Formats: sequence, structure tokens, C-alpha cells
Amino acid sequence: ETGVTQSPTHLIKTRGQQVTLRCSSQSGHNTVSWYQQALGQGPQFIFQYYREEENGRGNFPPRFSGLQFPNYSSELNVNALELDDSALYLCATGDRDGLGYTFGSGTRLTVV
Amino acid sequence: GQNIDQPTEMTATEGAIVQINCTYQTSGFNGLFWYQQHAGEAPTFLSYNVLDGLEEKGRFSSFLSRSKGYSYLLLKELQMKDSASYLCAVRDLEGGSYIPTFGRGTSLIVHP
Repeated sequence: ETGVTQSPTHLIKTRGQQVTLRCSSQSGHNTVSWYQQALGQGPQFIFQYYREEENGRGNFPPRFSGLQFPNYSSELNVNALELDDSALYLCATGDRDGLGYTFGSGTRLTVV
Repeated sequence: GQNIDQPTEMTATEGAIVQINCTYQTSGFNGLFWYQQHAGEAPTFLSYNVLDGLEEKGRFSSFLSRSKGYSYLLLKELQMKDSASYLCAVRDLEGGSYIPTFGRGTSLIVHP
């Protein structure tokens, strides 16, 4: 139990659909980052939110978007799903400087 | 951007010592993390180095040389439960935010 909860744990979607993944933290950290981890790869940074504002983004297209709420929970939305979007999606909470990261157990997304 | 290299896979014997290397190239280095990730689970924090030298924490130690762009994670008295992926991540100043960027990970297999 890491104190960071992600839901759902597993999800199967069809190509072209949209998906929303959720992340919440017991710690009240004001920064949340989202990562995509393909099988056998390291986590790839998608974006980071600090106090409800996006303050960093990796090399992902605009169909990957997010929200952070006043209670610091967060959502990752992916539109127009593609087969290559199949991966483990991790959220991590911590401080603004990337220290003290605590990861959730992830959501395993399969696109068919 | 960053370039992070670590071996894809290593094997070792229970009770032995193993060293996992990580080399990196980055423009705004501000620290290096090591994480452990068991299959299907969240990455868990092992160590953080920002200054040159060796940091020891029980059976695990981490070393950093900033001038060489090099780090290693040393695992002593290996146990079967140490079989996992070990992720090297560099903390870099990217657009005003310190975002950890991960390598592909090294899959360590410990056998009896």
C-alpha cells in the first residue's frame, strides 16, 4: 500500500474510444505526475500538475490531457485511443521539485 | 533532453553482490534516483544522489560521479526477492520544473 490509489486497475478499450484514469493520494501532495510504461520499458513522462496547473509535459500528443482537482486528485484522459496506447499508466505524487515521489500501482490499459 | 543507458538484463546468484550501472547525458542535471519495480507493481524509491560519492543504505548502495555522467546501484547479500527491474532516473530542469526522466530499467534475475 503506497498511499497513492489509481483506478481502475485494469481496463480494456477499443481503438478510437476515450478513457479516463484516476489517481488520488492520502498524503495531500500538491504535485502529481503521470507516466506511461510499455512492457519492458521504463516509465515515460506524460505531464505534471502543480496546484491544478500543468507545469511540465513530455513528448505526448494533445489527445493526452489531464486535470488536477482542489483536493489534489487527478485524472488522465486519452482520446482517440490507438493500439500503441496499451501500457501501464502510473501516477506519482510528491513535491514540486520531483522529490519524494510515491507511485501508485498503476492502471493496465489494453486497447484492442 | 536526456539520454539514459542501463543494461537490459543481469543475472546473479543468491548471496552474491551485483552492480547495476547507469550512464546519462543531460543539460540540467539535478540529481539521480534509483527505483525498484517488481513485475506488475509500482516503482518504489531506493535512493537519491545529488552529490558525488557513495550513499549506503543497508544492503543497497548508490554511487554518483557527475563529471562522468555515471551512477551505479550496488546490491549486497542478494536475496531471491531482489529479482525485479531497477530503474535509474535523472532529475533535470525542464521548462522550469524538475521532472525525473527514467531509463529503460535493468531486469535483475537472482537464482539459487
